[in-house]
Amino acid sequence: DSGVTQTPKHLITATGQRVTLRCSPRSGDLSVYWYQQSLDQGLQFLIQYYNGEERAKGNILERFSAQQFPDLHSELNLSSLELGDSALYFCASSVGYRSGANVLTFGAGSRLTVL
Amino acid sequence: EDQVTQSPEALRLQEGESSSLNCSYTVSGLRGLFWYRQDPGKGPEFLFTLYSAGEEKEKERLKATLTKKESFLHITAPKPEDSATYLCAVQANTGFQKLVFGTGTRLLVSP
Repeated sequence: DSGVTQTPKHLITATGQRVTLRCSPRSGDLSVYWYQQSLDQGLQFLIQYYNGEERAKGNILERFSAQQFPDLHSELNLSSLELGDSALYFCASSVGYRSGANVLTFGAGSRLTVL
Repeated sequence: EDQVTQSPEALRLQEGESSSLNCSYTVSGLRGLFWYRQDPGKGPEFLFTLYSAGEEKEKERLKATLTKKESFLHITAPKPEDSATYLCAVQANTGFQKLVFGTGTRLLVSP
């Protein structure tokens, strides 16, 4: 158990629907990151939050949005789902800002299947 | 743009047959280079962080090394339980500490 909790583990839904993925970071970590992993692609960075504020944005579609709440948990909202959105979605957390490299700790992922 | 390229895409070894995985990178100022292990359907698991050229780190049968353009993950006398995808990622000095990943090397170690 990495300490990063993601729910749900599996989700099957239909095209055009909306889903919410939830992440609780490791205790003490202030930064949360969302990544998407498709079969034919590596881990693609979507978005990062630090202590409730958006800090960095990657290749995140306009149909996707995220937020980090005061208790530091984060939610990734995916709307108007398409078949191509089927993927593993990972949340990671780190302590945040300090000198030197920050190790990201990953959760077990949420597998989304869009039919 | 920060980029990471890993080779080979897949590697099949016999138990005990040592080999190396390659990670080439370009980054606008390296804060750290990371190696992760990922088992099928699971999240990446942290292995090593390397900070500067010439640095080496070891853990059991794994040894990671770093130059100014590449990192290598050496696997000595691998066992079947070392079978996994090995991911390399860079963290730049600029930006906000996200990791940019390569597509990984799928390693299969046969008994």
